Amino acid sequence: QKEVEQNSGPLSVPEGAIASLNCTYSDRGSQSFFWYRQYSGKSPELIMSIYSNGDKEDGRFTAQLNKASQYVSLLIRDSQPSDSATYLCAVNTGFQKLVFGTGTRLLVSP
Amino acid sequence: NAGVTQTPKFRILKIGQSMTLQCTQDMNHNYMYWYRQDPGMGLKLIYYSVGAGITDKGEVPNGYNVSRSTTEDFPLRLELAAPSQTSVYFCASSELTSSYNEQFFGPGTRLTVL
Repeated sequence: QKEVEQNSGPLSVPEGAIASLNCTYSDRGSQSFFWYRQYSGKSPELIMSIYSNGDKEDGRFTAQLNKASQYVSLLIRDSQPSDSATYLCAVNTGFQKLVFGTGTRLLVSP
Repeated sequence: NAGVTQTPKFRILKIGQSMTLQCTQDMNHNYMYWYRQDPGMGLKLIYYSVGAGITDKGEVPNGYNVSRSTTEDFPLRLELAAPSQTSVYFCASSELTSSYNEQFFGPGTRLTVL
């Protein structure tokens, strides 16, 4: 069973702080990794994708990938209350299918 | 582009009833997927399709059927609805490039079986 693990949270951070969300995966053959944001009652929205070891930055978001440690993370700088949502980590384990974690709930307080 | 659209948004079924959840995408994506999401849980893959006429089972296919007669449409059929099928159903699509698989989701259908 290919697994993706996330801490369910909630992760509480004050406005303006850095939020750090983590994800581990079990399949060493995984090729691509994604972070989705899901507001309550809404569908998942793709916010970051990463395919190579290292960091990838997009605005306030930075995704970090360490394939040796089978670890993906998402950093959100200058967190805003509007960032409060559940963040889903997803891993492409091959065969055009994604395996999703259960998500980490982030709460950003004003 | 409307992206991925789903109908209906909400539905209440009685045990034993059947229904079809509709999914349409206008991005000319080859790949389409059906997921269910139970409260506080991640997404579980029900069925997927890599092109018109080709479908395959995902992690939780029991109680569901799919068909893919066109690139745009990927309906999900529930036969003999059961309370365990109460969930939010999401359709997604993607265009595979190399090993990438960025999936884009529809707004979801919230189904309750009583």
